[in-house]
Amino acid sequence: SAVISQKPSRDICQRGTSLTIQCQVDSQVTMMFWYRQQPGQSLTLIATANQGSEATYESGFVIDKFPISRPNLTFSTLTVSNMSPEDSSIYLCSVDFGRALGYGYTFGSGTRLTVV
Amino acid sequence: DQQVKQNSPSLSVQEGRISILNCDYTNSMFDYFLWYKKYPAEGPTFLISISSIKDKNEDGRFTVFLNKSAKHLSLHIVPSQPGDSAVYFCAASGGNQFYFGTGTSLTVIP
Repeated sequence: SAVISQKPSRDICQRGTSLTIQCQVDSQVTMMFWYRQQPGQSLTLIATANQGSEATYESGFVIDKFPISRPNLTFSTLTVSNMSPEDSSIYLCSVDFGRALGYGYTFGSGTRLTVV
Repeated sequence: DQQVKQNSPSLSVQEGRISILNCDYTNSMFDYFLWYKKYPAEGPTFLISISSIKDKNEDGRFTVFLNKSAKHLSLHIVPSQPGDSAVYFCAASGGNQFYFGTGTSLTVIP
């Protein structure tokens, strides 16, 4: 499996500002995924980041709010823009090493965001 | 709409006994199921998976059972150890996207 380095691990941000979360993978992967876990809720997929093309967003998530970069096969960023307290969540990046291997996703350690 | 449900937010078990964590799903097209374990301040880590062609998969102390007719899966941990105390998420997929339950917090009491 791969090792994923995610940062920052936590941050407290002011309403209206933006935060960029970075994920670095120690292997080249085609797709990277960004999830959000709001308090008391399940992990929800925000978008899939493909290298060389625009990210694919799930219903309820838009590029203006959550712009994503994927400059190469080992790195991606997620920006939470114009933050409000409702954006307070844990944000996780992950990669899929394929169900053929019997494994699911490997996750980063997460970014705990608090918006005040 | 929550396609994967874990109805028990928490579970406490004595060390050495069996822990049973349950998960229900609604989409009959799901064909791949996983369990993840999550410690505080860490991302979820893969624990065990099962394909819909099977009804049981075992890995050491961990066994996952799948009942397709009931759209139900469960994770058995035998014997439970204090280090197993964590939040357990089940997840299901019928394609690229995985759907997660809300998690069950397991506490194993020494």
